[in-house]
Amino acid sequence: GESVGLHLPTLSVQEGDNSIINCAYSNSASDYFIWYKQESGKGPQFIIDIRSNMDKRQGQRVTVLLNKTVKHLSLQIAATQPGDSAVYFCADHSGNTPLVFGKGTRLSVIA
Amino acid sequence: ETGVTQTPRHLVMGMTNKKSLKCEQHLGHNAMYWYKQSAKKPLELMFVYNFKEQTENNSVPSRFSPECPNSSHLFLHLHTLQPEDSALYLCASSQERRGAGELFFGEGSRLTVL
Repeated sequence: GESVGLHLPTLSVQEGDNSIINCAYSNSASDYFIWYKQESGKGPQFIIDIRSNMDKRQGQRVTVLLNKTVKHLSLQIAATQPGDSAVYFCADHSGNTPLVFGKGTRLSVIA
Repeated sequence: ETGVTQTPRHLVMGMTNKKSLKCEQHLGHNAMYWYKQSAKKPLELMFVYNFKEQTENNSVPSRFSPECPNSSHLFLHLHTLQPEDSALYLCASSQERRGAGELFFGEGSRLTVL
């Protein structure tokens, strides 16, 4: 069936650098995309979302880019901090289907 | 008070035990979900309830039995589990089941089956 996947399982970034976490999705009908952050011992927390009629959306220190042509989603974190260390999940939604989650990328910030 | 509260946070049970996980949401949402999170696997949707009615059962074994007495509470009754059922069980809620929108997750119940 359709699935959402992540390119890399782990990512190590120097504190202060920018982080880019990538996600590929396979459902061309997906119309809503969302990024979650999950810290150790906690449940996933919403970071940012984007609808398919947009290709970029910015939040506080985070930007999500959507490329529908190649079915690719990315999360950019500016000036990465130690508190950004976590597992990041992308998820997509189509019509009435529930969110489909990817496996997650573990971001480690090196001080 | 957090939006979605799960109890217990940790549970250890034998394969013949019967236990229940509880979830409560204080967000006024109408849809509630159970997800299973295992190591190195994507979040797996188990059950969905919308306005107290079960709308999805994602081929979950009958040893997992959900219950949704009202829109604010969701239970997962566990019976005769297997060691491979050990995982983090996450409850989530959303405004409604249909349509795009953010899921609000609880902290999860870490289950270990011996």
